[in-house]
Amino acid sequence: IAGITQAPTSQILAAGRRMTLRCTQDMRHNAMYWYRQDLGLGLRLIHYSNTAGTTGKGEVPDGYSVSRANTDDFPLTLASAVPSQTSVYFCASSDGGGSTDTQYFGPGTRLTVL
Amino acid sequence: GQNIDQPTEMTATEGAIVQINCTYQTSGFNGLFWYQQHAGEAPTFLSYNVLDGLEEKGRFSSFLSRSKGYSYLLLKELQMKDSASYLCAFMDSNYQLIWGAGTKLIIKP
Repeated sequence: IAGITQAPTSQILAAGRRMTLRCTQDMRHNAMYWYRQDLGLGLRLIHYSNTAGTTGKGEVPDGYSVSRANTDDFPLTLASAVPSQTSVYFCASSDGGGSTDTQYFGPGTRLTVL
Repeated sequence: GQNIDQPTEMTATEGAIVQINCTYQTSGFNGLFWYQQHAGEAPTFLSYNVLDGLEEKGRFSSFLSRSKGYSYLLLKELQMKDSASYLCAFMDSNYQLIWGAGTKLIIKP
């Protein structure tokens, strides 16, 4: 089934630990995104990539890093997790075609940092 | 600056019609999106408006007025499965989506 997969589905992590959230899409989309969703707030963009080999910072990039070695994969790394990074993380992808660009979302990763 | 606002929660009755409003402010605008998100699931695309007017898609319609910075999502013949959060987002001048916090729609029998 075509789409976006994320792993793990959920994770409980001790503060200070390193964690990588995985995201893979098979739609050959150029652009990929990482968002966090917190209660009472809209989706907030962490990092994005318009095409393989390039990345950019979103609204809330601090404490997170990404890489885009190929078209399909866009991992998000928390170098040293803190409790404020407890959230639901969504990966999304789109054709990257400008204003009509519809984003398609993965199922999300629920992360708890203790 | 940029901002976007929508009601936190709305309640409606099965079979009825409900209108969810969204207002936004931005200096650069490249379209307005509506997504549906069921609890514990990913957002899914509903509609896109870039020109003023009404776009109809089955039971769902979306309206945009660029001069007023205003959009609404109209849901007709409500069904229990329409209970979800509805997210409004505009695309800014950098082609990034700026998201509202979502409107939780509760459908009662």
